Amino acid sequence: GNSVTQMEGPVTLSEEAFLTINCTYTATGYPSLFWYVQYPGEGLQLLLKATKADDKGSNKGFEATYRKETTSFHLEKGSVQVSDSAVYFCALRDGGYNKLIFGAGTRLAVHP
Amino acid sequence: GAVVSQHPSWVICKSGTSVKIECRSLDFQATTMFWYRQFPKQSLMLMATSNEGSKATYEQGVEKDKFLINHASLTLSTLTVTSAHPEDSSFYICSASKGQDGADTQYFGPGTRLTVL
Repeated sequence: GNSVTQMEGPVTLSEEAFLTINCTYTATGYPSLFWYVQYPGEGLQLLLKATKADDKGSNKGFEATYRKETTSFHLEKGSVQVSDSAVYFCALRDGGYNKLIFGAGTRLAVHP
Repeated sequence: GAVVSQHPSWVICKSGTSVKIECRSLDFQATTMFWYRQFPKQSLMLMATSNEGSKATYEQGVEKDKFLINHASLTLSTLTVTSAHPEDSSFYICSASKGQDGADTQYFGPGTRLTVL
């Protein structure tokens, strides 16, 4: 079946450090891939997405590239800020169904 | 825009009682709503999908008689946990989508933490 695996947290970084959160997936067909972010006390928000191989999603300085050959969608940011502290979820949506499958989430803590 | 609220944000109840959780789309009409359950340090697991005016579609392994879902209007869906037991304690999250096709973004509520004593 379809599944998403992302690196365990927490990830603790200093401000302005480089961020990578790994995400790999297993899916039949050609899924769309997403990163969601959950700030403390808030609901999940869509951060970025990619719908086909080699697409790069980007938003707020974050980016992720849909790599079909490695079945990966790693999240990166060149310089993190304290305000980026949150839980990040990688997810896929299979085919034409509006049904999301999530990874376990990775907590990011950024210190000044 | 596209704000989804949940009420209550947390609830504690005694074993054997029923608990109702509301999910509202505040500034858009939600044709489809989803209910998820999240255990500590685990991913969100889809429980059921509901379209306004029709019966919910439950995921495999989810007891539909225990988790009653009602999507009575385009802005409100409710999840009722019937005869709750301690193993039902969890974080319940809803999301709402504007359309019925496969391309629409889901907008998530902040979640409801249920503790069953």
